Amino acid sequence: GAVVSQHPSRVICKSGTSVKIECRSLDFQATTMFWYRQFPKKSLMLMATSNEGSKATYEQGVEKDKFLINHASLTLSTLTVTSAHPEDSSFYICSARDTGGPSSYEQYFGPGTRLTVT
Amino acid sequence: QQQVKQSPQSLIVQKGGISIINCAYENTAFDYFPWYQQFPGKGPALLIAIRPDVSEKKEGRFTISFNKSAKQFSLHIMDSQPGDSATYFCAASRVNFGNEKLTFGTGTRLTIIP
Repeated sequence: GAVVSQHPSRVICKSGTSVKIECRSLDFQATTMFWYRQFPKKSLMLMATSNEGSKATYEQGVEKDKFLINHASLTLSTLTVTSAHPEDSSFYICSARDTGGPSSYEQYFGPGTRLTVT
Repeated sequence: QQQVKQSPQSLIVQKGGISIINCAYENTAFDYFPWYQQFPGKGPALLIAIRPDVSEKKEGRFTISFNKSAKQFSLHIMDSQPGDSATYFCAASRVNFGNEKLTFGTGTRLTIIP
């Protein structure tokens, strides 16, 4: 089946530093990837849609200068949290569409990255 | 119009029983309805999905029932097992070539007791 990986799975950083999270589709190509944020016991909140070779589309209220997204290849998208603050602590999850598969609209999720900003 | 309403918020079912989670949507343009299962500290996993051209889809112990006129769909877990204890999310989107987004329900925390 379609597998999506994320790295790192956990990261702790100091306030003011930047953190990069990688999302990879391991066995399929993904022209579109999505980045979500999830607070404890809450649903997934879409942050942005990442498109290979073009600029990401951000959801309303998400600061694009704070959450930098780069989708440089068909299998890799990165999310960089710049100048992180404690309120950015959260569970970040990516997903990818298998655009070449029989069901090109299905989204497969990564295992998530737990970010803690101290 | 983009909301997907999910109920109940939490559910406790005895082992071997049937777990039922319901979702309702307003946007009639939605035509893809997946269910995701999420364990604590993990990403959601696609469980089962349905398109509106059928009223029911079954995969093993999991069944989606879909009522297009009522704009409702539900997940049924037959013979519920302790390993099914997780949070379940329904979602909806429009099938399209492009950056189609999923709209998620609020989630249901399911607990299966022995």
